[in-house]
Amino acid sequence: ETGVTQSPTHLIKTRGQQVTLRCSSQSGHNTVSWYQQALGQGPQFIFQYYREEENGRGNFPPRFSGLQFPNYSSELNVNALELDDSALYLCASSDPGLAERSYEQYFGPGTRLTVT
Amino acid sequence: RKEVEQDPGPFNVPEGATVAFNCTYSNSASQSFFWYRQDCRKEPKLLMSVYSSGNEDGRFTAQLNRASQYISLLIRDSKLSDSATYLCVVSPRGSNYQLIWGAGTKLIIKP
Repeated sequence: ETGVTQSPTHLIKTRGQQVTLRCSSQSGHNTVSWYQQALGQGPQFIFQYYREEENGRGNFPPRFSGLQFPNYSSELNVNALELDDSALYLCASSDPGLAERSYEQYFGPGTRLTVT
Repeated sequence: RKEVEQDPGPFNVPEGATVAFNCTYSNSASQSFFWYRQDCRKEPKLLMSVYSSGNEDGRFTAQLNRASQYISLLIRDSKLSDSATYLCVVSPRGSNYQLIWGAGTKLIIKP
């Protein structure tokens, strides 16, 4: 196992509601990346946090926001949920200080969000 | 054109056979390359990192051709447990450790 945990595992929300997803990174990893994965697709990069600062963002609207805490755990918040937000949300941790292995990312089990 | 392209499959292969997956990427400045494996409704798991011209890990061999912007994964003596989706992943230079993912190739190993 990677040591990356996510909560909750499953969630059902109604269109227009807000949701917060949580991730605890692998011990020693200071970087957390969030991805959205729709059925049959590869993960799409949402954003990345490095030492509590946003370190890059994919093509997602501002209603997707995040936070990283001093212990490197992270939250993903989505406001004004839309039906198309239904997906598996994955969190991955990494450590850029690992030289050749700095790009390797290790994933949590994901949160499956259903918006009705 | 997608940044990372893979044949979606599925590849239906008999147990014991050799199977090869191909992946092309569009950003010539890409510097890190990976293969991940994803089981149905599970998270992706790192299978192999490809840092130079290629590397081997047991039954798995990954190769990189920078000139052609092409990565491959070869699985020898395939097992039933190899059934999964295989995702090609690329990190462009200067991307702050962000990864670009292919849509994956589904592999089904048949007894």
